[in-house]
Amino acid sequence: DQQVKQNSPSLSVQEGRISILNCDYTNSMFDYFLWYKKYPAEGPTFLISISSIKDKNEDGRFTVFLNKSAKHLSLHIVPSQPGDSAVYFCAATNTNAGKSTFGDGTTLTVKP
Amino acid sequence: EPEVTQTPSHQVTQMGQEVILRCVPISNHLYFYWYRQILGQKVEFLVSFYNNEISEKSEIFDDQFSVERPDGSNFTLKIRSTKLEDSAMYFCASSPDIYQPQHFGDGTRLSIL
Repeated sequence: DQQVKQNSPSLSVQEGRISILNCDYTNSMFDYFLWYKKYPAEGPTFLISISSIKDKNEDGRFTVFLNKSAKHLSLHIVPSQPGDSAVYFCAATNTNAGKSTFGDGTTLTVKP
Repeated sequence: EPEVTQTPSHQVTQMGQEVILRCVPISNHLYFYWYRQILGQKVEFLVSFYNNEISEKSEIFDDQFSVERPDGSNFTLKIRSTKLEDSAMYFCASSPDIYQPQHFGDGTRLSIL
């Protein structure tokens, strides 16, 4: 039972355009959601998060949207830069259980 | 900026042996975690640790695994009787509280021969 799904294994966008990464979840007990970025041979690096009481959180070029009724979140990167090329993981946390579940990851390639 | 550090970066062990993976979480963090990532697969939660006890563990975290915070700084993952399928990257993470993002180390690559 895959509770957190990232249905697109890869995404390629042109520099300067918008990148939209999507994530779906099934467990209604998740109440805190995060996006991490990962380069090869490094651990995941936190990007941005959102609590279930909000529907949007913005930090510079990164915006996360949460649609609780659809159990869907997305990460928007505007404008995309070549340095954004990495694997992006969404993670959903049940804070009562202290457990985070990760999606499979989406490899983003931003072309110059 | 404070970091989570993991040692060793690469551990090679014979099947059946015990291995201890070490982590130094960020000093003022209270929650500690272990994850693993088998090559080409997703990052999988193993265990979370708070107030000197396990707060949550996954079905992967069976009797073969144990965690310990032996002193005020280290957080270890012990794997007994290692199997070939234990080969993976093991990531340690810590957070100040459950509502804060987790900070990850760069991982230990465990290779079981």
